Formats: sequence, C-alpha cells, structure tokens
Amino acid sequence: DTAVSQTPKYLVTQMGNDKSIKCEQNLGHDTMYWYKQDSKKFLKIMFSYNNKELIINETVPNRFSPKSPDKAHLNLHINSLELGDSAVYFCASSQRGNTDTQYFGPGTRLTVL
Amino acid sequence: AQSVTQLGSHVSVSEGALVLLRCNYSSSVPPYLFWYVQYPNQGLQLLLKYTTGATLVKGINGFEAEFKKSETSFHLTKPSAHMSDAAEYFCAVSDAVMDSNYQLIWGAGTKLIIKP
Repeated sequence: DTAVSQTPKYLVTQMGNDKSIKCEQNLGHDTMYWYKQDSKKFLKIMFSYNNKELIINETVPNRFSPKSPDKAHLNLHINSLELGDSAVYFCASSQRGNTDTQYFGPGTRLTVL
Repeated sequence: AQSVTQLGSHVSVSEGALVLLRCNYSSSVPPYLFWYVQYPNQGLQLLLKYTTGATLVKGINGFEAEFKKSETSFHLTKPSAHMSDAAEYFCAVSDAVMDSNYQLIWGAGTKLIIKP
C-alpha cells in the first residue's frame, strides 16, 4: 500500500493553463504539506494543513490554492501557469508534533512550456 | 529564527571510504534534528532523527549522526560508502509555527557522489 500518493507523476502544460495535483495519504496523519523543489534541489514549504485547517501559508503567489476536503487529502490547484512554476512538487504528511517524521509522496514533475 | 547550513553542495567519496556530511543549525530552543535522503526521481525518506536522550543516533542503511550541542552540529556519517548511497541528503530542524504546530527548516542539501 502506498502511504502518500500523488497524481499525476508528470505534468506538461502550456503557460496560462490551470492545473491541479492531487495528494492522498493513508497513514491516518492529521497534518499535510506541499513543498516545491527547484532544479537545484532546494526545498521550499508552500502550505501546511492540520485537520483541514490552513496552518502555514508561505509567500506563494495567490495563483496557488490548496484545498483539503478531508484529513486524508490535500490538493493543489494552480491558475495561470508561468514558466517559473516548473519544478517538482511534493506532498507530505505527518502527525502534528515537533518530533514527528514527515512522509513524502513520489513527487509531481511540472513542466510549463 | 531557526536555520540549517549544510557545508558542501556536493561531496564525492570512493566506494568503501568514510562518508561525512556536515550540518550546522541555529536554534534558540533545544532542537529536534533530522536527516532525510532523496534517491534519484523519488520523494524524501527519513534516515534518522534526534529528539532527546542519546546524542549518537543510528539510522537506516548504516548511517549515524551525532548531536553536538556545543558545536551546534549534527553531522551524518557512514563508515563505508556503497554505490547505492549515491543520493541527495537533507538536514532539517523542527521549528514551532503556532498553536503547537511545527514545520521543518531545511538545509540546501548535499549531493553524495560515490566513485567506483
């Protein structure tokens, strides 16, 4: 069983389009995250939800909108895609707590042409 | 604010040699420290973590790290490198956000290259 899954794995699209990435975890965790990893492998936290409540909302363009329909899902919708949005996006989950391990999904490689 | 510095964006060692990846942190409170590994085209997975207690922490795949408060360091080591260890390694420190929520502050990563 996959603990944290993301779909799609690859996403190639044109500038200006709107796209969504879905994330699901079956670990029973109460906290979920979205990260962006650039071409230099630098990891940047974008959002974090705890029990469907937004906890972390870093300086991210408002074209990015997370949605958490329930504790097991955290989707990411991106409007008006730009070239600079090209990156690998990772979903992760954990139990709330400062010592808790984050479990990562396999990533979604987004390429904007 | 917490921060993490990983010295060396790339580290190259020969197969069978000692692996040493350096991590220094800044924290105003007792830190909780993590090492994650990312194999090519995969997500990150936990190697090991320090919370409290013994300062030498053992992880998966023969890796270990030692928490040294006086040096604010949490370096990752492995006595003998294997080709399968080639990956990106990330050090992180836990940081309080609000209402008992936490986030990880990440280092920039170190790419470990293993020479045959």
